[in-house]
Amino acid sequence: AQKVTQAQTEISVVEKEDVTLDCVYETRDTTYYLFWYKQPPSGELVFLIRRNSFDEQNEISGRYSWNFQKSTSSFNFTITASQVVDSAVYFCALSESNYGQNFVFGPGTRLSVLP
Amino acid sequence: NAGVMQNPRHLVRRRGQEARLRCSPMKGHSHVYWYRQLPEEGLKFMVYLQKENIIDESGMPKERFSAEFPKEGPSILRIQQVVRGDSAAYFCASSLGQGRGYTFGSGTRLTVV
Repeated sequence: AQKVTQAQTEISVVEKEDVTLDCVYETRDTTYYLFWYKQPPSGELVFLIRRNSFDEQNEISGRYSWNFQKSTSSFNFTITASQVVDSAVYFCALSESNYGQNFVFGPGTRLSVLP
Repeated sequence: NAGVMQNPRHLVRRRGQEARLRCSPMKGHSHVYWYRQLPEEGLKFMVYLQKENIIDESGMPKERFSAEFPKEGPSILRIQQVVRGDSAAYFCASSLGQGRGYTFGSGTRLTVV
């Protein structure tokens, strides 16, 4: 069965601190996709990254970086030099190639960046 | 090139009424997914549709909920005889196909009073 765990329910940091959001997943499939989405206070869902299971290269996009470790089934997300605008709920999600089309989302981590 | 369009953005219904939520996928996308986000909870898959077909409805409540994606027009999520527990944000997403990233709409926030 597929499952996504985001153990951190809420995190508060002060602006300019670095913060890492954890994501651990479970899947029996060998081919799968992992995603991160951001849900700001306005409520929409913003796509951040997609990673397939064969690509373990870490990725950096500006202040965002992602660390994919198949050995520990983790796909952690780090924000460097956080800003108040980063305050949002962040969801990690898993899609299995052979399961169908639906995603399984983690419960989300609420990040508050204080000025 | 408009993204996924959901309307209405906010919907208020009295208990027992029907709620109709609309989703127009991105141009060229023929896969539509509905998710529900209950207060303080993550997103839960409800149903996956392609044009005129329901592919996976394993997340749909057995009663009062239905979804369609006709050949022409938007996808509709229909909730009959709404109850307070149906109050949630309902998100629609569309994609080009398997394993590809979704594009989400802005959601419809349903409030049942």
